[in-house]
Amino acid sequence: DQQVKQNSPSLSVQEGRISILNCDYTNSMFDYFLWYKKYPAEGPTFLISISSIKDKNEDGRFTVFLNKSAKHLSLHIVPSQPGDSAVYFCAASPSGYALNFGKGTSLLVTP
Amino acid sequence: EAGVAQSPRYKIIEKRQSVAFWCNPISGHATLYWYQQILGQGPKLLIQFQNNGVVDDSQLPKDRFSAERLKGVDSTLKIQPAKLEDSAVYLCASRPGLAGGHEQFFGPGTRLTVL
Repeated sequence: DQQVKQNSPSLSVQEGRISILNCDYTNSMFDYFLWYKKYPAEGPTFLISISSIKDKNEDGRFTVFLNKSAKHLSLHIVPSQPGDSAVYFCAASPSGYALNFGKGTSLLVTP
Repeated sequence: EAGVAQSPRYKIIEKRQSVAFWCNPISGHATLYWYQQILGQGPKLLIQFQNNGVVDDSQLPKDRFSAERLKGVDSTLKIQPAKLEDSAVYLCASRPGLAGGHEQFFGPGTRLTVL
């Protein structure tokens, strides 16, 4: 069963605007959440993470928000740039264990 | 710092043949993972090692898949015999240990095509 869900397979955003990628999870034992970015023919690259004791983490243009009661997290990219075009994976794990990934959202940032 | 190395990058075999993949994690990383990523899906864990011991292999199809990390450094994943549904990208990842940062660092993957 899919414990991490990314319900939007794709998203198109204009350069300079905000990109919002969403992720839902079902397992209440997850206590660490990560976003990975993937370009074709490359492995996933770590982008940003958040632990369950926080509700927001910011790193430059990237911010992750966690709503534990709704079992929902989102990644905000502001402002979006053409180089941000990639597949974004949401992942979650109980501490020390392997990551459970969503199916990914393909982001296209157009000039 | 060198990243996670994997080889080969691409492999094409016929069903019922065997194949092996190699992974060299980041130096000093005690925890190593193998993931399978089927087209259109997210990576799915196959096996997790802590040094040379297996932490989790519950999703490894043990009738055909095997993995080892004998000296606690590099690792090999083998499929014997391969099936059509094994066509996927096989990703290796590592992290320093079970405590500390949760980020896993991924290699470029091996794309396997089974004909």
